[in-house]
Amino acid sequence: AQSVTQPDIHITVSEGASLELRCNYSYGATPYLFWYVQSPGQGLQLLLKYFSGDTLVQGIKGFEAEFKRSQSSFNLRKPSVHWSDAAEYFCAVGPILTGGGNKLTFGTGTQLKVEL
Amino acid sequence: DTGVSQNPRHKITKRGQNVTFRCDPISEHNRLYWYRQTLGQGPEFLTYFQNEAQLEKSRLLSDRFSAERPKGSFSTLEIQRTEQGDSAMYLCASSLFIVRRDNEQFFGPGTRLTVL
Repeated sequence: AQSVTQPDIHITVSEGASLELRCNYSYGATPYLFWYVQSPGQGLQLLLKYFSGDTLVQGIKGFEAEFKRSQSSFNLRKPSVHWSDAAEYFCAVGPILTGGGNKLTFGTGTQLKVEL
Repeated sequence: DTGVSQNPRHKITKRGQNVTFRCDPISEHNRLYWYRQTLGQGPEFLTYFQNEAQLEKSRLLSDRFSAERPKGSFSTLEIQRTEQGDSAMYLCASSLFIVRRDNEQFFGPGTRLTVL
């Protein structure tokens, strides 16, 4: 069965500092990989996704993620964090054949706090 | 707003009562998904529909849970004889599923259920 591990439950960074959120997955084949962000009282917003091709993908709000097949990882990065980035971040996997079109498996999330 | 909408946003009920939630997907989307998110966890898949057909149900969806999408548009999720363990955020998502294409799921704001 597929699974997603986000080892960091909470992360605190200073505004302007760089950020890396870790995600490791277990899957039978190369999955379709996602990062979502959830602000309090809001639904999930897609930041970026990896389907195939270039292993470094760019997303919205200045985020990027790198797929490393050998490490089964899909870490999210941002070079300079803004106070508005404080939120909960979820990594998810889905079957590549459906392009994310059926069930997604999510990690437990990383809560990001930004210090001014 | 043409996004996914969910009603009600909050529901407080007493143990043993029945509750029903509604999800209105993005209008042209043929797939609709239900997830449950408990405190400190990522969303967990419950079920999904393609048009009016329910294609997959999770083991999490006990006999007390039933979901419908009668006309292939909006969906309802009913929980009978609620238990305190049902307290969670219930998230709905929709997508336009096309084979071998990118099928991003768009999430609604969720319905937060509290069972007293």
